[in-house]
Amino acid sequence: NAGVTQTPKFRVLKTGQSMTLLCAQDMNHEYMYWYRQDPGMGLRLIHYSVGEGTTAKGEVPDGYNVSRLKKQNFLLGLESAAPSQTSVYFCASSPRWTSKSNIQYFGAGTRLSVL
Amino acid sequence: QKEVEQDPGPLSVPEGAIVSLNCTYSNSAFQYFMWYRQYSRKGPELLMYTYSSGNKEDGRFTAQVDKSSKYISLFIRDSQPSDSATYLCAMSARTNAGKSTFGDGTTLTVKP
Repeated sequence: NAGVTQTPKFRVLKTGQSMTLLCAQDMNHEYMYWYRQDPGMGLRLIHYSVGEGTTAKGEVPDGYNVSRLKKQNFLLGLESAAPSQTSVYFCASSPRWTSKSNIQYFGAGTRLSVL
Repeated sequence: QKEVEQDPGPLSVPEGAIVSLNCTYSNSAFQYFMWYRQYSRKGPELLMYTYSSGNKEDGRFTAQVDKSSKYISLFIRDSQPSDSATYLCAMSARTNAGKSTFGDGTTLTVKP
């Protein structure tokens, strides 16, 4: 059981370059989330999705776009990377129709450096 | 002011010590309270899950919620070097698309 898989694990970008981070989950979860984690700042929600074809802004959405074309995949895009986007990015998912829909299952993270 | 404040740490204790990790919150709508454990260079994983006020015990771990004081705690008994990690508290309201608000984390080191 793979759970939540993030690709790539590491990436170095130059300022202005674009990239897409892929998150895939095999638990048939409705909800999916993208976070960034910076030292001393905990997890900050970038965007989230409550189901296939839906997306919504989180706490820090500027500079990022997302798409959820398939239920199992949630893509995070950086159109023009900036050094301030250097961070560790985590994807998570949670089930909808259970008593524990607030429990999130996380991927292993993507470490992104923007030079 | 943040909705969730977590004791910042870092915390360093000898093996076998009792550890107390704490968070306070301001949003009275929070009803679900979680503790996640995050090992270095890994993703967070759920450690404890509680609903509303009260205590929940799981082995060496006890989660405590006091809604009247807006205060939650995680106690670790007989701490082990394998408990060395960052602990994140998280909270959510009943109808919030499963979204949680996380504390900034407390890094714990248990020395043999």
